[in-house]
Amino acid sequence: QLQLQESGPGLVKPSETLSLTCTVSGGSISSSSYYWGWIRQPPGKGLEWIGSIYYSGSTYYNPSLKSRVTISVDTSKNQFSLKLSSVTAADTAVYYCARHSGPVAAPSPIDYWGQGTLVTVSS
Amino acid sequence: SYELTQPPSVSVSPGQTARITCSGDALPKQYAYWYQQKPGQAPVLVIYKDSERPSGIPERFSGSSSGTTVTLTISGVQAEDEADYYCQSADSSGTYRVVFGGGTKLTVL
Repeated sequence: QLQLQESGPGLVKPSETLSLTCTVSGGSISSSSYYWGWIRQPPGKGLEWIGSIYYSGSTYYNPSLKSRVTISVDTSKNQFSLKLSSVTAADTAVYYCARHSGPVAAPSPIDYWGQGTLVTVSS
Repeated sequence: SYELTQPPSVSVSPGQTARITCSGDALPKQYAYWYQQKPGQAPVLVIYKDSERPSGIPERFSGSSSGTTVTLTISGVQAEDEADYYCQSADSSGTYRVVFGGGTKLTVL
């Protein structure tokens, strides 16, 4: 059974960079056809896609966040990572890592999600 | 930007049928997907490609599409179906690859 687990600091100061890692177990991140993504959800609000990556390193980003987001992949560790720069209180959210069941451009649904991790932006 | 519009809330009594809509200009050209999210949990895919149901999802969940609107229908609603529901799709230009609707809170009275 595929499992995804987010890890990283739960508290980040304003203007700093938020960094999270997703570790994939029970399957290979290098499997063809699958994309791997980050989605966030501010407390009490809806879902927002941040971006997604293929194991080759090809990325897709939400245009509204693109200038601050970098998503990378480490196939040797079966992990992918998120960096969000210049954070503000508006970036406080539960951050989920997830797997797309096909090409992001298709579009394709998300069939596996991590449990989510709350990141709070505060001084 | 591209938006998918859902009603904020829908209420039904147990055993009745709940219908949750999602509207977007590109929906005639792009598939839609539906997720169920219960408090404190990650979303779960309940419908893909407008009307297909993943294995393990009860038959009372169904989806349909008509023009710029897709609809999630839950027949014979049960108390356990109370949750937030989100649609997902994309725009037709390829700019917005993954877009979520604002979500609909389904309340079982």
